[in-house]
Amino acid sequence: AAGVIQSPRHLIKEKRETATLKCYPIPRHDTVYWYQQGPGQDPQFLISFYEKMQSDKGSIPDRFSAQQFSDYHSELNMSSLELGDSALYFCASSLGGGFSTGELFFGEGSRLTVL
Amino acid sequence: GEDVEQSLFLSVREGDSSVINCTYTDSSSTYLYWYKQEPGAGLQLLTYIFSNMDMKQDQRLTVLLNKKDKHLSLRIADTQTGDSAIYFCAEPYNQGGKLIFGQGTELSVKP
Repeated sequence: AAGVIQSPRHLIKEKRETATLKCYPIPRHDTVYWYQQGPGQDPQFLISFYEKMQSDKGSIPDRFSAQQFSDYHSELNMSSLELGDSALYFCASSLGGGFSTGELFFGEGSRLTVL
Repeated sequence: GEDVEQSLFLSVREGDSSVINCTYTDSSSTYLYWYKQEPGAGLQLLTYIFSNMDMKQDQRLTVLLNKKDKHLSLRIADTQTGDSAIYFCAEPYNQGGKLIFGQGTELSVKP
């Protein structure tokens, strides 16, 4: 079965550079979520989109922005990168905004390293 | 407040049962989740339980939910070395999609 696809899987950037992560949800899923997991940490919610509209916002820095496109894929844009942004970034998808079906599937993550 | 608590480590022998415990705070949660994360890998949805259920069984996995005590547990029967991973419980904070994760329990399975 198709899963959540994230790209790139690994990304190395310098401080103050910009990075863009992409997420392709499971087919027919209309909701995407972004999480950030620092080393040895639990995942922290950043932002979510349902039907191309932002549905919830968590601890996402102002330097980051995200959007969901008409084909339901999402992109997370990160600017003025800092060393502390080095983390594993997960995208998840579900059908229906929030938790209407219970199933919430995560991708394999994009590992960002900021030097 | 939003807080999900787990013990950090659990060590068992191969073939034994493992029980990973979790406490949560939001009594209005509709679903509660268990995810498995192997080193450097993504979060694999293991199982989830709807809040009106007390128990859910799926092959070697048994989830028990005690709503009164806000306690969730995951039992893995006949634990194998391939079960070694970090296990996260998670609860929705609201209906917008924010999941609150516990700190994760690192399960170590010794042969």
